[in-house]
Amino acid sequence: SQQGEEDPQALSIQEGENATMNCSYKTSINNLQWYRQNSGRGLVHLILIRSNEREKHSGRLRVTLDTSKKSSSLLITASRAADTASYFCATVLNNAGNMLTFGGGTRLMVKP
Amino acid sequence: GAGVSQSPRYKVAKRGQDVALRCDPISGHVSLFWYQQALGQGPEFLTYFQNEAQLDKSGLPSDRFFAERPEGSVSTLKIQRTQQEDSAVYLCASSVKDRGWTDTQYFGPGTRLTVL
Repeated sequence: SQQGEEDPQALSIQEGENATMNCSYKTSINNLQWYRQNSGRGLVHLILIRSNEREKHSGRLRVTLDTSKKSSSLLITASRAADTASYFCATVLNNAGNMLTFGGGTRLMVKP
Repeated sequence: GAGVSQSPRYKVAKRGQDVALRCDPISGHVSLFWYQQALGQGPEFLTYFQNEAQLDKSGLPSDRFFAERPEGSVSTLKIQRTQQEDSAVYLCASSVKDRGWTDTQYFGPGTRLTVL
């Protein structure tokens, strides 16, 4: 079973617009990570936010974490067609070893 | 440098066949993970190695699944007597440290297994 749920499951926007994806999880975490997966390819790590952090930036990416609501959001600003991919949040649970627990993903399509 | 590589990239097996999937992690990476990704779903954890030691195999779905990393580098995931429900993409990831949860996991391209 999967720990998190992404919302929305699919998102279609125009190039230049911002894209926001949300992730909810169920149990306490050590950190939360966001990954991108292009069709037919492996996962690429985007950003990691620790449980004691509230916001983090990396280029056009902005991630927030609200541990009281057990939720995170990923904002991609000024989207490009190359951002078209599936985006997954993954959590590292406390006392659950080293593995990542992934959500179901948001499929983002950016139209040129 | 080279990333994580996996072979084969695609495998078609008849139900009941045994398959072996190979993962070459990034050189020097201590931790190695296997995940299973069903179509349209997120990856699910299968097993974890720290060097040659298999420290967690709680995600392996049945005793038909077996993984090894005998010399602490290359790993093989073996599935015996494949079933249709085994059809999925099998992803391998490695990380440099022995505590993967504080460290970025680098994923390979995956092996897409189709069981007919």
